[in-house]
Amino acid sequence: GAVVSQHPSWVICKSGTSVKIECRSLDFQATTMFWYRQFPKQSLMLMATSNEGSKATYEQGVEKDKFLINHASLTLSTLTVTSAHPEDSSFYICSAPMTGTRNTEAFFGQGTRLTVV
Amino acid sequence: GQSLEQPSEVTAVEGAIVQINCTYQTSGFYGLSWYQQHDGGAPTFLSYNALDGLEETGRFSSFLSRSDSYGYLLLQELQMKDSASYFCAVRDGRIYNQGGKLIFGQGTELSVKP
Repeated sequence: GAVVSQHPSWVICKSGTSVKIECRSLDFQATTMFWYRQFPKQSLMLMATSNEGSKATYEQGVEKDKFLINHASLTLSTLTVTSAHPEDSSFYICSAPMTGTRNTEAFFGQGTRLTVV
Repeated sequence: GQSLEQPSEVTAVEGAIVQINCTYQTSGFYGLSWYQQHDGGAPTFLSYNALDGLEETGRFSSFLSRSDSYGYLLLQELQMKDSASYFCAVRDGRIYNQGGKLIFGQGTELSVKP
């Protein structure tokens, strides 16, 4: 079964509104989670590293005020796309490592398809 | 920085064997991973190589040569369900759950024909 749960799986929103995406680790604690964005037929691009109890670390070129990340507990990280515009339409995916593994495998959420109209 | 190169697409027939190559440039190396992604789905882990050589998992095998900064994914006895995108990835950091993160290649779209 899934070890990382992401919600919602898809969302359509109006331009200018905000959208929140949740990423939960199931039955394990994740002090670190990662948020990726993927445009059609392209690779997964890391947006930011979400750290429990501290500020997220953003990759170069990613606007921290636009993509708000909150990692308030050991099992939940949220990504909020603020003032969304059509160019933010994409597939957003979170991942988390499971403590106790050999750290060789990343577990991904199901992804969220965001469409901004 | 890190960069990875892999072919954009590969086509093969059912039952055949296909090899997807990946070359990488990294400032530090902590292993090469392979992920499969079906259309609209999330990536799923296939294999990981930290040391040189071949790792076999059922129909899938992965190879690494650190001296050549090169690896490949070998898929045998291809099935229609293997049609998907395949990504190689390197970790940007020694310990994944303490800050290491994945940098993905551009992906190889595999089409398996009857």
